[in-house]
Amino acid sequence: AQSVTQPDIHITVSEGASLELRCNYSYGATPYLFWYVQSPGQGLQLLLKYFSGDTLVQGIKGFEAEFKRSQSSFNLRKPSVHWSDAAEYFCAVGIGGGFKTIFGAGTRLFVKA
Amino acid sequence: EAQVTQNPRYLITVTGKKLTVTCSQNMNHEYMSWYRQDPGLGLRQIYYSMNVEVTDKGDVPEGYKVSRKEKRNFPLILESPSPNQTSLYFCASRDNSYEQYFGPGTRLTVT
Repeated sequence: AQSVTQPDIHITVSEGASLELRCNYSYGATPYLFWYVQSPGQGLQLLLKYFSGDTLVQGIKGFEAEFKRSQSSFNLRKPSVHWSDAAEYFCAVGIGGGFKTIFGAGTRLFVKA
Repeated sequence: EAQVTQNPRYLITVTGKKLTVTCSQNMNHEYMSWYRQDPGLGLRQIYYSMNVEVTDKGDVPEGYKVSRKEKRNFPLILESPSPNQTSLYFCASRDNSYEQYFGPGTRLTVT
């Protein structure tokens, strides 16, 4: 069955430190890949997406993600975290021509001063 | 302003009392979808609609109904709500680049 795994329920990083959030998926082909961010009490906002081509994609707010087909992974990175990045981050895949979307359980990011 | 709106934002109801959560988008998107969000489970897709009069089940459709009579509206109907449908619900619409735009959410409590 198709699934998305975010192994870290929560992560704490110091402001200014680098960040990597992990995402692995299970699907028979290369799906559409997304990262969303949800600030407290808010809806979700798209950070970046990957469909094909260059496996390193740039997104908003200084985030980037790298697709690794051999590892079925799509990890999110940011070189220097700001306090305003504290939020919950969701990895998602689009399958079935992109009509169905499967989300991971999310990783909550805490940023300490 | 481009947006997805949902109403109501908060709802407390009792088991078995039919309810509808409305969703409307002003971006002329063909694709719309409903999700529920539960702690530790992320978002799970309930139903989606590729266009007017075309809908299909997501991963957790049991106990829910949808209809898509107009492009801008995609209401979610719970004909006989039960406590296990207590959740945070999000409506989304999607543009041609597959970016989904989410509404602010509806927090439903069924007692």
